[in-house]
Amino acid sequence: NAGVTQTPKFQVLKTGQSMTLQCAQDMNHNSMYWYRQDPGMGLRLIYYSASEGTTDKGEVPNGYNVSRLNKREFSLRLESAAPSQTSVYFCASSEALWGQGFEQYFGPGTRLTVT
Amino acid sequence: AQSVSQHNHHVILSEAASLELGCNYSYGGTVNLFWYVQYPGQHLQLLLKYFSGDPLVKGIKGFEAEFIKSKFSFNLRKPSVQWSDTAEYFCAVTPYNNAGNMLTFGGGTRLMVKP
Repeated sequence: NAGVTQTPKFQVLKTGQSMTLQCAQDMNHNSMYWYRQDPGMGLRLIYYSASEGTTDKGEVPNGYNVSRLNKREFSLRLESAAPSQTSVYFCASSEALWGQGFEQYFGPGTRLTVT
Repeated sequence: AQSVSQHNHHVILSEAASLELGCNYSYGGTVNLFWYVQYPGQHLQLLLKYFSGDPLVKGIKGFEAEFIKSKFSFNLRKPSVQWSDTAEYFCAVTPYNNAGNMLTFGGGTRLMVKP
């Protein structure tokens, strides 16, 4: 099992460019998440997908869109990158749809720099 | 909405010293609690979790945490740290019966253990 995989590992964008971060999990989890990690702020939830076919905004959704392509894959798109989106992006997945919480499993991250 | 506060942003200890990292959350209902660790250059890994039952939970690598409901706290402890414990530690909370199992993270505590 690869767990949660993310591509790319590193990316540099110019302001205004667009890109899509890819995430896939092979644990048959229902729920998937996108976070950004900034120094001193922990991880903040951008978007999540509680189940295939649904997506919802998290704490910091502005400037991002997501697609739950199927049960395995959950992509994050930056339509017009801004320097404020320089961050490390983590994808995660979890078994629980509703009820008692289950741990989230994290991918290795994508380090994005917007110049 | 719930929030998580980690009081110590940076902690420096010598090997064999004891460790206690503070975590307080704000939420009036039943919660699930987690401690994650991020070693340098790696993704987040679960250290331990509390769902119900014994408020003293034991995790991997000799870590433990105690849930004190009256204080809204879930402090992480280790009796004797090693150089390999150098990492960033994140406390996280999710309300019980939370659709989508969304986590709220604290800002993190960076631990450096001197050999």
